[in-house]
Amino acid sequence: AQTVTQSQPEMSVQEAETVTLSCTYDTSESDYYLFWYKQPPSRQMILVIRQEAYKQQNATENRFSVNFQKAAKSFSLKISDSQLGDAAMYFCAYRSAGIIFGKGTRLHILP
Amino acid sequence: DVKVTQSSRYLVKRTGEKVFLECVQDMDHENMFWYRQDPGLGLRLIYFSYDVKMKEKGDIPEGYSVSREKKERFSLILESASTNQTSMYLCASKKFTGTGEDIQYFGAGTRLSVL
Repeated sequence: AQTVTQSQPEMSVQEAETVTLSCTYDTSESDYYLFWYKQPPSRQMILVIRQEAYKQQNATENRFSVNFQKAAKSFSLKISDSQLGDAAMYFCAYRSAGIIFGKGTRLHILP
Repeated sequence: DVKVTQSSRYLVKRTGEKVFLECVQDMDHENMFWYRQDPGLGLRLIYFSYDVKMKEKGDIPEGYSVSREKKERFSLILESASTNQTSMYLCASKKFTGTGEDIQYFGAGTRLSVL
């Protein structure tokens, strides 16, 4: 069975600094998608970035980028130039037939 | 923009009550999902639906049922609410593309308290 593990329940970063959130997953499939979702205090889930497993190039969306290591089954999220509005719960998710979420990492931004 | 609307942000119900959580999406998406979110457990899939009148059990369907009579509306039903169903409930929808492309759009959530 597939699993998604986020080993950091909470993290803090100084405003304007860079932070990396880790995510590992376990699967025997070769074709799948990976996502990072952000959940701010408003509770709405927002898609941050996604990665197709067949693409070797790491996805990038403005200040957000991923380090996708398929062989290691690792999918970390890097946030550059952290802003106060980045404070939220971040969920890593894996999708093949169904979608599986990690337990989340709460990110605090220190002014 | 895709909009997924959950009818209530907060609900308080009593044990044994029948509870309906409604979710509506306005983008003609085929697939809709119900999750519950609990601290330390993340998001867990309760039920999902591929199309009208179709439903599939997720990881934790016990104590829940769903209804999808119209494409835009997916209802989660707690037949007899229990205190262990106190949780945040999130609805999501996505378009079936056939290419595997998958972006789920989430509603704002319903915080249900069962007393």
